[in-house]
Amino acid sequence: EPEVTQTPSHQVTQMGQEVILRCVPISNHLYFYWYRQILGQKVEFLVSFYNNEISEKSEIFDDQFSVERPDGSNFTLKIRSTKLEDSAMYFCASSESVIAGNEKLFFGSGTQLSVL
Amino acid sequence: AQSVTQLGSHVSVSEGALVLLRCNYSSSVPPYLFWYVQYPNQGLQLLLKYTSAATLVKGINGFEAEFKKSETSFHLTKPSAHMSDAAEYFCAVSGSGGYQKVTFGTGTKLQVIP
Repeated sequence: EPEVTQTPSHQVTQMGQEVILRCVPISNHLYFYWYRQILGQKVEFLVSFYNNEISEKSEIFDDQFSVERPDGSNFTLKIRSTKLEDSAMYFCASSESVIAGNEKLFFGSGTQLSVL
Repeated sequence: AQSVTQLGSHVSVSEGALVLLRCNYSSSVPPYLFWYVQYPNQGLQLLLKYTSAATLVKGINGFEAEFKKSETSFHLTKPSAHMSDAAEYFCAVSGSGGYQKVTFGTGTKLQVIP
């Protein structure tokens, strides 16, 4: 089965540094998402992306965050100036469709971000 | 807005015993409900989903879930646990009107004891 690939699997950074988390969605998918999971908490929606623009974002996704699809295959999440509370597992997901009930999300295995 | 509540962050069962993972939802519109599984060091994988057709939904690996509107529940069950079922399970909900983002519960870690 095709899969979503995320790199790196672990990222350690100093507070205030910029990080870029990378994702390669499934090739025929058109809708892309970032979710995150702080240790011991629920998986939280960050942002959805379609047709080269953000279609929805949560209140977590403030000006420190940005997403980009720089080429035909990659989908990146940038955190401009990391904070301690950004430490979490970040999941990328993609889907072929967003027809309600058919929005089967395929998730990557996540990037564990640790901000020191 | 939609939300789900998963009762029990950790559940332990013996191999061969019934698995029951509880999920209750809150939704102002008819919901679509999902169960995802996360095996160690892997991403989230869809187990099954309810989209207002049959109330009893069968998924992969022998799991099933029943939508009960009167109880606002969507509990996940499996008659006989296998060691390979040890994972974290997430209940999730989205609205049924057009595109709706998926909102996850806090997850339940299932331990299977030999």
